[in-house]
Amino acid sequence: KAGVTQTPRYLIKTRGQQVTLSCSPISGHRSVSWYQQTPGQGLQFLFEYFSETQRNKGNFPGRFSGRQFSNSRSEMNVSTLELGDSALYLCASSTVGGGYEQYFGPGTRLTVT
Amino acid sequence: QQQVKQSPQSLIVQKGGISIINCAYENTAFDYFPWYQQFPGKGPALLIAIRPDVSEKKEGRFTISFNKSAKQFSLHIMDSQPGDSATYFCAASSAGSARQLTFGSGTQLTVLP
Repeated sequence: KAGVTQTPRYLIKTRGQQVTLSCSPISGHRSVSWYQQTPGQGLQFLFEYFSETQRNKGNFPGRFSGRQFSNSRSEMNVSTLELGDSALYLCASSTVGGGYEQYFGPGTRLTVT
Repeated sequence: QQQVKQSPQSLIVQKGGISIINCAYENTAFDYFPWYQQFPGKGPALLIAIRPDVSEKKEGRFTISFNKSAKQFSLHIMDSQPGDSATYFCAASSAGSARQLTFGSGTQLTVLP
């Protein structure tokens, strides 16, 4: 089975712009979660989608949003980028509603200048 | 109450030695405790996980020890190898239809040849 794929792998954006990141889960997995990883804050939960519905959201501002499509693929969007949004954004997929055996993709490295 | 505290921050072990990483949690609702291994430039990879109804779980050279009363769990890597050099994260999540992983701050393990 192919693993979780994320595109693009690297991205450089300017402060104030917006960005969309994509995640394709493992085939058959219907839950997709997003995490932000930074040296200072570590791994932090952004949100989780299951059957196209956001079921849980972490403590991030409304500039961070996401969606899930009927084929379980997910996108996350960050609007009005700030320098502090520079991070590795990780997507994880699971067969159940998150938590149990989450499998991570390689991440998208976002740099905001 | 959602925090997972991980120690040590860094660990240096000789080849063939035992690596031990500890985590502690406060939220008694947590019921799933995975460990992840992350290499530079890669996403976290699920190593091993445990639920609170067992005190120990072993998979190959990796063992989780779980102490429910102390709200602590640890990862033991037996016969540590240079290829084990990576960052290790403990995590925890709680039951419910929407689950999210709360991660520890990570341990940078270096195994010397």
